[in-house]
Amino acid sequence: EAGVTQFPSHSVIEKGQTVTLRCDPISGHDNLYWYRRVMGKEIKFLLHFVKESKQDESGMPNNRFLAERTGGTYSTLKVQPAELEDSGVYFCASKFQGPGGTDTQYFGPGTRLTVL
Amino acid sequence: AQSVTQLDSQVPVFEEAPVELRCNYSSSVSVYLFWYVQYPNQGLQLLLKYLSGSTLVESINGFEAEFNKSQTSFHLRKPSVHISDTAEYFCAVTPRGGFQKLVFGTGTRLLVSP
Repeated sequence: EAGVTQFPSHSVIEKGQTVTLRCDPISGHDNLYWYRRVMGKEIKFLLHFVKESKQDESGMPNNRFLAERTGGTYSTLKVQPAELEDSGVYFCASKFQGPGGTDTQYFGPGTRLTVL
Repeated sequence: AQSVTQLDSQVPVFEEAPVELRCNYSSSVSVYLFWYVQYPNQGLQLLLKYLSGSTLVESINGFEAEFNKSQTSFHLRKPSVHISDTAEYFCAVTPRGGFQKLVFGTGTRLLVSP
């Protein structure tokens, strides 16, 4: 079974540019989460999808961040325009909450975003 | 709301020595507890978890953690570490039974030297 995949693995952009991160969850996982780790700090929650609906987006830092999950499969996280403080590692995680689910989130390898 | 404290940002140990990485949490509701590990240049991997049942849980590579409800702790231990255990370890909690987010500690970097 393939794990959670994220693309790209690294992205270096200039302040003011736009970047789109993609996450492909484990097949069949209805819950998808985005997290971010800013250098040296804790991993912080950004938002949570259940299928294609946003269940909780309380961690989104501001309206420069837009997340979508069309069709309830892969998700994208767009940052527009990017600022210096957006630099960090963006993790995606997925979970199956239905019968047989284990309340365990499985993480992707992360996308390291550097804004210059 | 929940919070997780990992007081040790870095723990240096020699190979074959025992190690304990501390994790304390705060929550007004019952939680599930997790340890995740991030090896150099890799993503987060689930190491072990406590959902219910026996308070002592083990991983396949020799780590164990014990849930202590009275002390609100979930410390991670290994009796003899290897060089390959060098990684960053994250403790995390989430409220029981919900769809909710994980709340992480700041991580502990374990440095194993020969």
